[in-house]
Amino acid sequence: KNEVEQSPQNLTAQEGEFITINCSYSVGISALHWLQQHPGGGIVSLFMLSSGKKKHGRLIATINIQEKHSSLHITASHPRDSAVYICAVRFLGNEKLTFGTGTRLTIIP
Amino acid sequence: GAVVSQHPSWVICKSGTSVKIECRSLDFQATTMFWYRQFPKQSLMLMATSNEGSKATYEQGVEKDKFLINHASLTLSTLTVTSAHPEDSSFYICSAHLRGNNEQYFGPGTRLTVT
Repeated sequence: KNEVEQSPQNLTAQEGEFITINCSYSVGISALHWLQQHPGGGIVSLFMLSSGKKKHGRLIATINIQEKHSSLHITASHPRDSAVYICAVRFLGNEKLTFGTGTRLTIIP
Repeated sequence: GAVVSQHPSWVICKSGTSVKIECRSLDFQATTMFWYRQFPKQSLMLMATSNEGSKATYEQGVEKDKFLINHASLTLSTLTVTSAHPEDSSFYICSAHLRGNNEQYFGPGTRLTVT
């Protein structure tokens, strides 16, 4: 069964802390997306990964294909990073995305 | 990067009326567009997959006669909620799949409120 699991569901941290959000999936994929959704609702695509590691500013995304696991890291977290972060994968042979349940991140000043 | 727009960004309509939501890929041709619905504090739920020039493929439980999808060109797909009811109130999001790679670009969403 094609499944995506995210952890934690909720995360509250102090400003400046290093944040890690995890995503595990059940079978082979062609791509994994990390998405950010702010309270207003709009979704921003942060990364699309099929292997290795990507970095953009304070955000880092890694993926381990063998372990079927990806992490999203935020360095020097800031209150404006508060949002829901969603992992979504495209399983092999399927053009649709399967979404994780999301991680609600709150950064306290 | 590639941009996907949605119009309107929010709409309030009366029960029984129909509402059309547009999804446009602004600077690329989208092989496929996807329509999602999101209820408060829940994840995105795929409603249908829309391919240019062909009929949309609906997910189980989504009424194709209620949620009409038209994908007239490689840059435009529309979702029409017909005879809307209050339970159709939701956040509707489209995404466009860029031809030739795995990228999927999301629109900003349309918040529909049916009174």
